[in-house]
Amino acid sequence: NAGVTQTPKFRVLKTGQSMTLLCAQDMNHEYMYWYRQDPGMGLRLIHYSVGEGTTAKGEVPDGYNVSRLKKQNFLLGLESAAPSQTSVYFCASKDPGQGIIDEQFFGPGTRLTVL
Amino acid sequence: AQKITQTQPGMFVQEKEAVTLDCTYDTSDQSYGLFWYKQPSSGEMIFLIYQGSYDEQNATEGRYSLNFQKARKSANLVISASQLGDSAMYFCAMREGRDSSYKLIFGSGTRLLVRP
Repeated sequence: NAGVTQTPKFRVLKTGQSMTLLCAQDMNHEYMYWYRQDPGMGLRLIHYSVGEGTTAKGEVPDGYNVSRLKKQNFLLGLESAAPSQTSVYFCASKDPGQGIIDEQFFGPGTRLTVL
Repeated sequence: AQKITQTQPGMFVQEKEAVTLDCTYDTSDQSYGLFWYKQPSSGEMIFLIYQGSYDEQNATEGRYSLNFQKARKSANLVISASQLGDSAMYFCAMREGRDSSYKLIFGSGTRLLVRP
């Protein structure tokens, strides 16, 4: 199993450009999440999904959109990138019935720089 | 609103010694879960240990243990016999039980440096 994978690993954008980050998981997990990590601030939730076709806003959703058309994929879109969106983006997944220790499984991260 | 506080931006520990990383939390829920993740310089997030709010025993996982003091709302991570490979960022996180989406709230992290 590959677990949670993220594409791309690195990306540099110019202000105003758009892009999509792809998260894929092969664990058949129902729930998926997108976080951003900024220096000194820990991880903050952008959007999440509790099942195929569903999405919801997290703590910092502005400037991002998401889609969950297939259970295994969760896409994060930036329509018009801004320098404030320079960050490391993490995707995570979990299964609601996985047991007592219900940790989230994280992807390796995508480092995005907006110039 | 729920909140996680890690008051130690950076810590040093001598190799083979024990170290405690502090975490306090704030929630009005009776049911919640507490997690610790490790983030080495390579960047990935590695799950270390979990404590449920109703667990009577402190969680342990190898060299990691969680000092859970419910009344004080603290969930400190104890690493015994530190190794050079323990040098990393450590994040405390919380999930509220009544939130069926299992969202996590993270603290700002503690950077641990193990000295040889």
